[in-house]
Amino acid sequence: TQLLEQSPQFLSIQEGENLTVYCNSSSVFSSLQWYRQEPGEGPVLLVTVVTGGEVKKLKRLTFQFGDARKDSSLHITAAQPGDTGLYLCAGEISGSARQLTFGSGTQLTVLP
Amino acid sequence: DAGITQSPRYKITETGRQVTLMCHQTWSHSYMFWYRQDLGHGLRLIYYSAAADITDKGEVPDGYVVSRSKTENFPLTLESATRSQTSVYFCASMTSPSRRYEQYFGPGTRLTVT
Repeated sequence: TQLLEQSPQFLSIQEGENLTVYCNSSSVFSSLQWYRQEPGEGPVLLVTVVTGGEVKKLKRLTFQFGDARKDSSLHITAAQPGDTGLYLCAGEISGSARQLTFGSGTQLTVLP
Repeated sequence: DAGITQSPRYKITETGRQVTLMCHQTWSHSYMFWYRQDLGHGLRLIYYSAAADITDKGEVPDGYVVSRSKTENFPLTLESATRSQTSVYFCASMTSPSRRYEQYFGPGTRLTVT
């Protein structure tokens, strides 16, 4: 059973379009992170959100943590081919002894 | 160069053989982790270590052994490799825990068991 469900699993869009990726769970998270992974490399941390309702912006990327701390979203404005990659959300479940639970990822392809 | 490194990057082995994957970090981070990544499963935690000589099981520990005699190294051993252990293995490290469990990943080892 996947504790963190990501959707969509695959997304292919044209350069310049906007997109949103979702990360949902029935569990409450103490914190939630988003990573991006490129082929042949390890995941790279993009952002950490810790407060319910928190919104963080990283250039064209906007991350939101749900009020109940059970879900998160990643919105990309005016996507570029360089945004192509596997986007992973990962959460520290409250009381989970310092372990991160990862979603299965969203594979994003931005076509020029 | 500073950071977290893994070796080998690619490994092909036969069923039943013992294989050790190496992980080395230069940040002196307290925590280190081993994950495997398979299609449809995302990253699953195999073992983790809070400090030298302290290790604990993750979600999928069966068939794996770890040790941590030094802070900077965290080798993962497959005692008798099976085809189901074909995967990409990632090592990660994290500084002392706070409210932000931010992990830094190595480049991965692609292991094929034939």
